[in-house]
Amino acid sequence: GENVEQHPSTLSVQEGDSAVIKCTYSDSASNYFPWYKQELGKRPQLIIDIRSNVGEKKDQRIAVTLNKTAKHFSLHITETQPEDSAVYFCAARGGSNYKLTFGKGTLLTVNP
Amino acid sequence: DAGITQSPRHKVTETGTPVTLRCHQTENHRYMYWYRQDPGHGLRLIHYSYGVKDTDKGEVSDGYSVSRSKTEDFLLTLESATSSQTSVYFCAISDRDRGETQYFGPGTRLLVL
Repeated sequence: GENVEQHPSTLSVQEGDSAVIKCTYSDSASNYFPWYKQELGKRPQLIIDIRSNVGEKKDQRIAVTLNKTAKHFSLHITETQPEDSAVYFCAARGGSNYKLTFGKGTLLTVNP
Repeated sequence: DAGITQSPRHKVTETGTPVTLRCHQTENHRYMYWYRQDPGHGLRLIHYSYGVKDTDKGEVSDGYSVSRSKTEDFLLTLESATSSQTSVYFCAISDRDRGETQYFGPGTRLLVL
C-alpha cells in the first residue's frame, strides 16, 4: 500500500519567515495530495490540495508543489504568523481508491 | 463544519467492555471513514465505507468493527476495549462528485482504563 513520509517532525520559525514541509510517497499511481492543518484540540482542516496534473498551486501565503518524477510534494508558507502555529499533515490518495494515507505530521511553531 | 457530528465526544471505559462510537452526517456523502490519532503516528485509517452496507478494513482494523445501515450513520465498535485503544477517534466524510475532499468530525476522546 501507499506509504507517506513527512519531514521535519517539528519546525520552529520566527514570525515573518517562510516555512517548508516536505513529503514523499511510494505509490506512483497516487493522484491527489491534500494538506491539513490541525490546531490543538481541534479537527484537521484542509488548507490546500493538489492533483497530479498540476505542478504548483497557490492560495495567498500558502503554496504546494508536486514533483511526480521524484514522488514528493511540499507545503510552503510565506510570511508566517503566530496563528500559523499548528500541526500540519500531508496525505496521498492512491490512483484506484478513495483512501488517504497520512504522514505523521509536522508541529510548526511560529515565534513572535 | 460540513455537517458531521460524533458521539460521544468523550468517554472513559474499562478494559474488556464494548464501546460504540457514532458518526452522523447531514451531507449525503457516499464515503465515510474512521481514523485514530495517536502522538507520533498521525492519522491512521481503521475502517471505511463506500456505501450503505459496504465497508472495508484500513491499516489498523484489528479489534474494531463497523456498520453502516444508513447513509448518514457510520458506527465504530470496539468489541472488547483494551488500553491500547485509548486514542482520539475522528470520523471523516467525502464524496467524489463533490471534489473528494475529506471533511473531519470533531473527534471522540476515548480513555480505556
